[in-house]
Amino acid sequence: DTGVSQDPRHKITKRGQNVTFRCDPISEHNRLYWYRQTLGQGPEFLTYFQNEAQLEKSRLLSDRFSAERPKGSFSTLEIQRTEQGDSAMYLCASSLYGSGQETQYFGPGTRLLVL
Amino acid sequence: QKEVEQNSGPLSVPEGAIASLNCTYSDRGSQSFFWYRQYSGKSPELIMFIYSNGDKEDGRFTAQLNKASQYVSLLIRDSQPSDSATYLCAGHGSGNTGKLIFGQGTTLQVKP
Repeated sequence: DTGVSQDPRHKITKRGQNVTFRCDPISEHNRLYWYRQTLGQGPEFLTYFQNEAQLEKSRLLSDRFSAERPKGSFSTLEIQRTEQGDSAMYLCASSLYGSGQETQYFGPGTRLLVL
Repeated sequence: QKEVEQNSGPLSVPEGAIASLNCTYSDRGSQSFFWYRQYSGKSPELIMFIYSNGDKEDGRFTAQLNKASQYVSLLIRDSQPSDSATYLCAGHGSGNTGKLIFGQGTTLQVKP
C-alpha cells in the first residue's frame, strides 16, 4: 500500500453515462497525476496537478474528460458521455516535487468497463 | 517511433538466474528513468530510479543507464518465481514536465 487511494476500485457503466473517479494522494505530496492503462500497454499520461493548478493535459485527452484538484488535496476525474473505448484502468499517482528526485507512487487504480 | 520502447516478451528465466530487461528511449532530453513492477491486475510498484550514467544497485536489482546509447536496463539477480510480473520502464518527458512516458512493459516469467 503506497498511501495513494482511489475510489471506486471498479465501475461498470453504460455507454453515454457520466462517471467520476476520486484520488487521494499521499498527504504531503504536492503533485498528482492521472494515467490510463489498457491491456498489454504501459500507462498513458492524461493530466497532472501541482497543488491546485493543472499544469499539463495530454493532447490525446478528449473534451469529455475533465479533472480537478480544488483544494490541492484530492482530485476527481470525470468522463462525460462514456464510450466503449474508455474502458481501461485509470491510475492516479502522487509525488513530492521540489525535494530531491521526484518519484511517483501509484494508487490501486479504478477499473472502468463501459458496456 | 515510440518514445520509450521495450520488448514485450515474455522473457523466461529459470529460478536463480539473472534476468535482464532492456529499454530504449528516443528523447535525448529525458533525464530520469524509472523501473516499475506490475503484477497482473494490480497497479505499478516503483522498484528504482536512475538519472546518472552507469549502474545503480539496490538489493537484487541493478539499473543501468547509458545516455549516449539512450539505453536503460534492469538486472534482477537470483530471480525468484515471485519476480514474475510485467516490468515497466518510464522516463520523464523532456522540458519542464513531471509526466512519465512508459514503455509497453516486458513480461518476465521465472520458472521454478
